[in-house]
Amino acid sequence: GENVEQHPSTLSVQEGDSAVIKCTYSDSASNYFPWYKQELGKRPQLIIDIRSNVGEKKDQRIAVTLNKTAKHFSLHITETQPEDSAVYFCAASFTGGSYIPTFGRGTSLIVHP
Amino acid sequence: DTAVSQTPKYLVTQMGNDKSIKCEQNLGHDTMYWYKQDSKKFLKIMFSYNNKELIINETVPNRFSPKSPDKAHLNLHINSLELGDSAVYFCASSQVVLWVNTNTEAFFGQGTRLTVV
Repeated sequence: GENVEQHPSTLSVQEGDSAVIKCTYSDSASNYFPWYKQELGKRPQLIIDIRSNVGEKKDQRIAVTLNKTAKHFSLHITETQPEDSAVYFCAASFTGGSYIPTFGRGTSLIVHP
Repeated sequence: DTAVSQTPKYLVTQMGNDKSIKCEQNLGHDTMYWYKQDSKKFLKIMFSYNNKELIINETVPNRFSPKSPDKAHLNLHINSLELGDSAVYFCASSQVVLWVNTNTEAFFGQGTRLTVV
């Protein structure tokens, strides 16, 4: 099955700095890579995703990059704000047939004002 | 309207009891899941189920069993509860797709915090 590694487990930055979270996956068949944000006491919610037919995707201050050859993908948050503080999860899955998103262990992002 | 709803939100129970958590989705999705989130925030897949197949994570004890009366519901039954079962349990759903460019976002319920005492 798929195995997703996520680093770092904790990331502390100053407001306005950039934050980068990296993930690697093991199954070369995986073709869908979502990122979820989970605020304290809340449910995980999708913030951005990328598919295997593109290398980069951007949505305002958030961007994801994907390197299929190396089997790694990253989340980039620019101009961080205190409200970005949350746990971020990467996931990988194959969208053909049964779809089971396998999650990384999460990164706790803390943005200091 | 809530897309994925699960009840109860909090559940406190004694060791050895049997309990159920209910989950319903109104998105018309084909696939539903149960995840366990432990104190370290790790989201571990327990089950994936659609109307054709049940996929079980082999590390899940057989005290846990999913029950799906219909496509919109996937309930979680837990027998003989143990202290280590204390966690937040999330139900989720997504659409089974065959094409790369179709939306496959997984929607989560609000979670059920289970405390076994």
